[in-house]
Amino acid sequence: GNSVTQMEGPVTLSEEAFLTINCTYTATGYPSLFWYVQYPGEGLQLLLKATKADDKGSNKGFEATYRKETTSFHLEKGSVQVSDSAVYFCALSDPGANSKLTFGKGITLSVRP
Amino acid sequence: GAVVSQHPSRVICKSGTSVKIECRSLDFQATTMFWYRQFPKQSLMLMATSNEGSKATYEQGVEKDKFLINHASLTLSTLTVTSAHPEDSSFYICSARDRSEQETQYFGPGTRLLVL
Repeated sequence: GNSVTQMEGPVTLSEEAFLTINCTYTATGYPSLFWYVQYPGEGLQLLLKATKADDKGSNKGFEATYRKETTSFHLEKGSVQVSDSAVYFCALSDPGANSKLTFGKGITLSVRP
Repeated sequence: GAVVSQHPSRVICKSGTSVKIECRSLDFQATTMFWYRQFPKQSLMLMATSNEGSKATYEQGVEKDKFLINHASLTLSTLTVTSAHPEDSSFYICSARDRSEQETQYFGPGTRLLVL
């Protein structure tokens, strides 16, 4: 079956630090990959996505590249801000499974001023 | 674009009562909507998939008679928690899939349910 594995958290960084959040996946088909962000008390917001191998998704300074050879979709940002503090979920959508989303466990990011 | 709303955002009810949560896609047509449940500090658990005009498909272990889902139009799905009990207290989140963008789900802000 499909699965998404995220690195263990939480992660605490100082403002302007470089961020990497690891995500690897297992899928039987050709999934699309997503990063969602959840701010405290809110629902999920789509941060970025990539639909095929070597695609790079980017938004708000965040980016992630769909790496088929390593089955990874790591999230990066060059300089984090306090406002980036949130929970980040990696997910995949398998068109062979009615495009249901499979989520990773999520990781909490806290950015200190 | 791609905005999904939920109503209410918070609800407190007495044990034994029923609660209805609405999920609306505001600026797109959603042939498919999904309902999730999220426990504190955990990931989302898919409860059911709702297709417009047809019966919802429930995930294993989710009681369809307790969590009634109706998807009567391309912009509205409702989840009714019947005879709610304290263990039903949770954060319920819906998502909608744009019919023109099949791979992406857009999420509502969530509804926090507290059953006393």
